[in-house]
Amino acid sequence: DGGITQSPKYLFRKEGQNVTLSCEQNLNHDAMYWYRQDPGQGLRLIYYSQIVNDFQKGDIAEGYSVSREKKESFPLTVTSAQKNPTAFYLCASSSDQQQGTGKLFFGSGTQLSVL
Amino acid sequence: GQQVMQIPQYQHVQEGEDFTTYCNSSTTLSNIQWYKQRPGGHPVFLIQLVKSGEVKKQKRLTFQFGEAKKNSSLHITATQTTDVGTYFCAGPRYSSASKIIFGSGTRLSIRP
Repeated sequence: DGGITQSPKYLFRKEGQNVTLSCEQNLNHDAMYWYRQDPGQGLRLIYYSQIVNDFQKGDIAEGYSVSREKKESFPLTVTSAQKNPTAFYLCASSSDQQQGTGKLFFGSGTQLSVL
Repeated sequence: GQQVMQIPQYQHVQEGEDFTTYCNSSTTLSNIQWYKQRPGGHPVFLIQLVKSGEVKKQKRLTFQFGEAKKNSSLHITATQTTDVGTYFCAGPRYSSASKIIFGSGTRLSIRP
């Protein structure tokens, strides 16, 4: 069953703690994305990757880090430097974003809250 | 910087009424995509428009791309309760085609 899997569904972070959100896809897509969604708001781009071992900052990359060691995986780490991490995090992938024409497939999201 | 804005932010309609959301970009877009997010769910791709002045229909949904490729609209005829959700437009940033930016969305609620 092809798709994007995000885990965990809910995550709690303590002050000063780094946490990592998992995103795995078996769609054989080259491009992967991380978006942040605050209540009642749109999606803001954190990081994106067009190919393995390469990634670019989005509009709100501060306090976040990513890696792209495998085509299937694009984990997002929310570091202690991110002072307001509570949000819904969405991972997406696309087969063709060189021209910005590929549609995005989204995972079911991770809700991150601060304890 | 490039911005994609949507209006209205919220729309509450009686079931059976029509609904329209508008998307405006500060720069020309090579294409525009529309997504729907149900409450508690994730965005799901609806359609992509590429050509200037393009109009596409999906049953009761009509999508338009402006002649200048800077604006777009989604119109739903005779809304049903299944149309509830937030509708987002999205497009590639002019400085980097791989960077897809989203509008703020229009949340549609329906009175049965």
